[in-house]
Formats: sequence, structure tokens, C-alpha cells
Amino acid sequence: GAVVSQHPSWVICKSGTSVKIECRSLDFQATTMFWYRQFPKQSLMLMATSNEGSKATYEQGVEKDKFLINHASLTLSTLTVTSAHPEDSSFYICSARGQGGRTNTGELFFGEGSRLTVL
Amino acid sequence: QKEVEQDPGPLSVPEGAIVSLNCTYSNSAFQYFMWYRQYSRKGPELLMYTYSSGNKEDGRFTAQVDKSSKYISLFIRDSQPSDSATYLCAMSGNTGGFKTIFGAGTRLFVKA
Repeated sequence: GAVVSQHPSWVICKSGTSVKIECRSLDFQATTMFWYRQFPKQSLMLMATSNEGSKATYEQGVEKDKFLINHASLTLSTLTVTSAHPEDSSFYICSARGQGGRTNTGELFFGEGSRLTVL
Repeated sequence: QKEVEQDPGPLSVPEGAIVSLNCTYSNSAFQYFMWYRQYSRKGPELLMYTYSSGNKEDGRFTAQVDKSSKYISLFIRDSQPSDSATYLCAMSGNTGGFKTIFGAGTRLFVKA
């Protein structure tokens, strides 16, 4: 299957700092990427949809100025948590859907996830 | 009513048992159905992908889709302790830009 790489896998930062998480599609072009947040023992909560070359679409209740998303190329999307606070500590996961073949049928491929801890 | 309903469990079975995981949904526009396995602190891993109704088999895993009943299932034969994980159903259709809707996930424990 298609490969999506997410980096870093874990990060610890001080309150008030900003953290950037990268999501890369390694063997296909991802026109659309998605960012999720997951709390322990809960399902995925979609935060935003990122389309290459355009602004991200945020889900209701997600602060777009807090969670900056950039999808500047067909293989890279980034999520920046700005002025992070302890309540932002969570597991963040990206997924990608591309063009052609199975990557254009609604099938999603996930990154490994990034665990953010804000002290 | 949620678009996708999935019993969160937990479901505990002995090694070797047949496991049945299920989801129901309400949106008849869904055409693509997926099952993901997620180990603790890892991203979801795609297990099975099915288009429209029917069965699909891959090793010990069988996915079934019944669009008339809006019901999908994942069967795991000869379950192993390594199958212990959370299983998420997911589905999408060609409306709303293929937005994927996830079930809550069922936590499965296979006891040795």
C-alpha cells in the first residue's frame, strides 16, 4: 500500500512554544491530506482537510489560528501548533489520499502519528 | 444518530476464536468501506478495503459489506494475541468530497 511518513513521532515542548509536525506521502502524490487528533482510548477526531495549493478547511470548533496547516506541495503537509499549552497535548495523526488507482477511491493511508506533550 | 455506529467494546476472546466486528451506518451514499487496525500509540493501518457490497478475503481476515442493510463486518479467523488492537471501520462516498467517516473503534483483546 501507499506510504505516509509523519515526523516527529514524539515531541516534548514548553508551554508557549510552537511545534511543527510534518506529513509526507512517500510514493504517491497526495492532493488531499487530513489531520486528526486522538485522545486516549477514543477514535479519530478530524481537525482539518488540507488541499494542495489552497487553504485548509477546518472542522467546527478547531481554531485555525492555533493549528496552522500548510500543504505547499503534493507530497508534504505540515501542522503547526502555535503557542502550545498543556491542553494541546495529544496524539496527532495525518492521512493522505492521492490521485489515480486506489488512492483516488476514498482509501486513506495514515502516518505513524506524533505524540505531543506540552509541559 | 451518528453516521457510523460501532460498539467500542472491549471485546475479549481466547486465542483461536473467530472474531466478528461490526459497524452500521445511515448514509446510503457510502460506497467505499475500510477496516483499520490501530495498535496503542501508533497510526491506523489499513487492513481491508471493499468497494460496494460483497465479501473480500485476505488471509485470516474477511470483510463483508451489506449495503441493503447498511451493515459491514470484519471476521478474524484463528485469532492471535498479536491481533489485540483497536479496529476502526471507516467509509466514504462520492459526496462531500469523499469525506471519510470513522466508527468509534472496537478494542479487541485476544488472550493466550
